[in-house]
Amino acid sequence: DAKTTQPPSMDCAEGRAANLPCNHSTISGNEYVYWYRQIHSQGPQYIIHGLKNNETNEMASLIITEDRKSSTLILPHATLRDTAVYYCIVRVAGNAGNMLTFGGGTRLMVKP
Amino acid sequence: NAGVTQTPKFQVLKTGQSMTLQCAQDMNHEYMSWYRQDPGMGLRLIHYSVGAGITDQGEVPNGYNVSRSTTEDFPLRLLSAAPSQTSVYFCASKGGRERDEQFFGPGTRLTVL
Repeated sequence: DAKTTQPPSMDCAEGRAANLPCNHSTISGNEYVYWYRQIHSQGPQYIIHGLKNNETNEMASLIITEDRKSSTLILPHATLRDTAVYYCIVRVAGNAGNMLTFGGGTRLMVKP
Repeated sequence: NAGVTQTPKFQVLKTGQSMTLQCAQDMNHEYMSWYRQDPGMGLRLIHYSVGAGITDQGEVPNGYNVSRSTTEDFPLRLLSAAPSQTSVYFCASKGGRERDEQFFGPGTRLTVL
């Protein structure tokens, strides 16, 4: 699975959009981009994933560049409850042999 | 649905003791896995299972055993606890090869003295 690079920490004002970047320059054509988050002391929570098209769900939007070498997770109106560590993971869909490989993630702090 | 449940929530062991961390899911998921998370680090895969009777090693399997006798349960056994196994352990499940959303349990915080 391709490796990812994320900034270690970011701040965001409550009510503003939080844009979390992820670089995955070695991504392969059959690898998806996944985002999970981990709120303090809890188990990770799935947010969204995509292959090459932009994706949106009730939690967030995922923007993947045309060359697929980077992506951005967007939380449109961040709240204090969005304070968490956000993990960007790149892997082949349905690959049970390597369930999820977590890196360091980005620690997002949403401030009032 | 209760989702993924783990017991106990906290455990303190002495070096050399053995114990089993329990994990259960009520979503009829095929895939289950165990991760450990050390302070300030990401999660690392210990063992995983793609169905009852089938298990395989992950990134850090040494010192741990697993079995999968039923679809619902996936216990993790520490054979002889060591201080290096002090960590938070998370169990996860997912619905199958084409379903990629993983559901995580609340974790077990283990301290080995």
